[in-house]
Amino acid sequence: GENVEQHPSTLSVQEGDSAVIKCTYSDSASNYFPWYKQELGKRPQLIIDIRSNVGEKKDQRIAVTLNKTAKHFSLHITETQPEDSAVYFCAAKSVSGGFKTIFGAGTRLFVKA
Amino acid sequence: GAVVSQHPSRVICKSGTSVKIECRSLDFQATTMFWYRQFPKKSLMLMATSNEGSKATYEQGVEKDKFLINHASLTLSTLTVTSAHPEDSSFYICSARPGTSTEAFFGQGTRLTVV
Repeated sequence: GENVEQHPSTLSVQEGDSAVIKCTYSDSASNYFPWYKQELGKRPQLIIDIRSNVGEKKDQRIAVTLNKTAKHFSLHITETQPEDSAVYFCAAKSVSGGFKTIFGAGTRLFVKA
Repeated sequence: GAVVSQHPSRVICKSGTSVKIECRSLDFQATTMFWYRQFPKKSLMLMATSNEGSKATYEQGVEKDKFLINHASLTLSTLTVTSAHPEDSSFYICSARPGTSTEAFFGQGTRLTVV
């Protein structure tokens, strides 16, 4: 079945440094890749997404890259701040697959002040 | 726009009873709703996909008689956990997709504790 792998599971960085989270997906039909930030006990919040016809997308301190051939996509957060500390999930979705979203296992990001 | 409301946010029930969780799209019509389960410090596991007016599609390993899903209207889907057991205790979260959108929007989640 469809699978999304996410690494690392935990990431600790110093404030101001960059953080990179990587994901791979198995379903070739996946064509939409959202990233979510989830704080404890809260709903996931979409922070950025990328579609399969685009290789890179940036929104202020957050960027996402997609390598469709290798089925890899990554989240880059620059100039990290303590408030960036949360769990981040990557996900893959196939329009032809009924729009269901398969999530990665999550990365717990700690930004140390 | 694109607000999804889930109710209740927390519920405690006794073993053997049933619990109903509601997921409402407040300002859009949700063609599809998804139900997830999330264990502590774990990812969101898709339980089922619910399309308005038709039977839900359950993921492998999810008991459809245990987790009853009803999507009676374009703004409401319900998940009923029947004959709840302590191992059903978890965070359940729904998401709803507008008909014209690729993105789905999450409800705030329901923390179920079965005692």
